[in-house]
Amino acid sequence: DTGVSQDPRHKITKRGQNVTFRCDPISEHNRLYWYRQTLGQGPEFLTYFQNEAQLEKSRLLSDRFSAERPKGSFSTLEIQRTEQGDSAMYLCASSRMAPSGGRTAFFGQGTRLTVV
Amino acid sequence: GENVGLHLPTLSVQEGDNSIINCAYSNSASDYFIWYKQESGKGPQFIIDIRSNMDKRQGQRVTVLLNKTVKHLSLQIAATQPGDSAVYFCAENIHEGSGNTGKLIFGQGTTLQVKP
Repeated sequence: DTGVSQDPRHKITKRGQNVTFRCDPISEHNRLYWYRQTLGQGPEFLTYFQNEAQLEKSRLLSDRFSAERPKGSFSTLEIQRTEQGDSAMYLCASSRMAPSGGRTAFFGQGTRLTVV
Repeated sequence: GENVGLHLPTLSVQEGDNSIINCAYSNSASDYFIWYKQESGKGPQFIIDIRSNMDKRQGQRVTVLLNKTVKHLSLQIAATQPGDSAVYFCAENIHEGSGNTGKLIFGQGTTLQVKP
């Protein structure tokens, strides 16, 4: 499978615990994005990387959230001291320049986080 | 399984009919648009894209129409099949001063239900 891969698919954690998610992008894609999706809503942008550089962070990304892409390949998203409001689907995407000239993002299957 | 379509507008069609899903976008600086299909418990799946210098683009059984005057996108699905049942999102890429980041802003989403 050469698509975007995310691990784990599901995570249940107790409030206050730390969690870390991993994303492996499509290998030739240099940009990687993290989004969050809550029930009934579209995905919301959190942050993105070009190679190993984190270029932008959304206001949604509080100080408890940190993302890394140390070698410009896989990325991790860590949430510290989880809260019930962090319960959501966390989506990773990677992009390439499309033949049409736009930048097409391809998504992984997501990590469903439930904080109890 | 998860119903990402909870509280979303719903379009119900008969198998074999054509479907039209509409989307309004808000930013006149958006220069690239993508339609995604999202099945329950999965990540968004790329369907078709269009640049702002076009008003129509066709794929296999799908057509996207762009009306920049009224900031409106539509996705037409020909001969709708049960496997087309999902939530459909339009996404816009805003061209920023730094160039095309690939960061997407998603619309509300529409649930498509196909009756056999």
